[in-house]
Amino acid sequence: DADVTQTPRNRITKTGKRIMLECSQTKGHDRMYWYRQDPGLGLRLIYYSFDVKDINKGEISDGYSVSRQAQAKFSLSLESAIPNQTALYFCATMRAGITDTQYFGPGTRLTVL
Amino acid sequence: AQSVTQPDIHITVSEGASLELRCNYSYGATPYLFWYVQSPGQGLQLLLKYFSGDTLVQGIKGFEAEFKRSQSSFNLRKPSVHWSDAAEYFCAVLPTMEYGNKLVFGAGTILRVKS
Repeated sequence: DADVTQTPRNRITKTGKRIMLECSQTKGHDRMYWYRQDPGLGLRLIYYSFDVKDINKGEISDGYSVSRQAQAKFSLSLESAIPNQTALYFCATMRAGITDTQYFGPGTRLTVL
Repeated sequence: AQSVTQPDIHITVSEGASLELRCNYSYGATPYLFWYVQSPGQGLQLLLKYFSGDTLVQGIKGFEAEFKRSQSSFNLRKPSVHWSDAAEYFCAVLPTMEYGNKLVFGAGTILRVKS
């Protein structure tokens, strides 16, 4: 089984709808991250969390919220989706301690019509 | 602010030819450096990383990268490209003096391999 899973893998929704993307990990890592990927822009950080009580905004947090329900689960919500939130969303995890890398989930492709 | 530049949006090479993907970063100190690959429809896979020590690092799939402090560069190389290497490649830096272990990504380089 994959260490970092994301659900759903694909989602089409309409403008104004609320949508939640979920991320789960079995790596036992404390740190979790949400990114979005847009063509020509690479990946940009939306939110990150060091534990269930530690949530931090990233570079592009406007229009998004997150919830860290447990060490292993980190959800991203779009309260009222808009078309420019159409993108590929990635969750990543990282072990505490800087000499490590981030491990990415398979991504969720979100389309907002 | 930190930034990562990948000057080439697309690169096309012939199968069997050598490859070099360029990456330059802007950061006041030496960051940790990474190359990731994203195959079509897939997530990101780590190719290699540099934290310290030998400036030439070996990765998976026959890739290597060289850190050059004087040029603020971390270019990715492969001596002989295979058709399965066609993918998008991302350079990323982790600023070591900042809170959060936040990766900063370049815009990516799409590699096409022609037979």
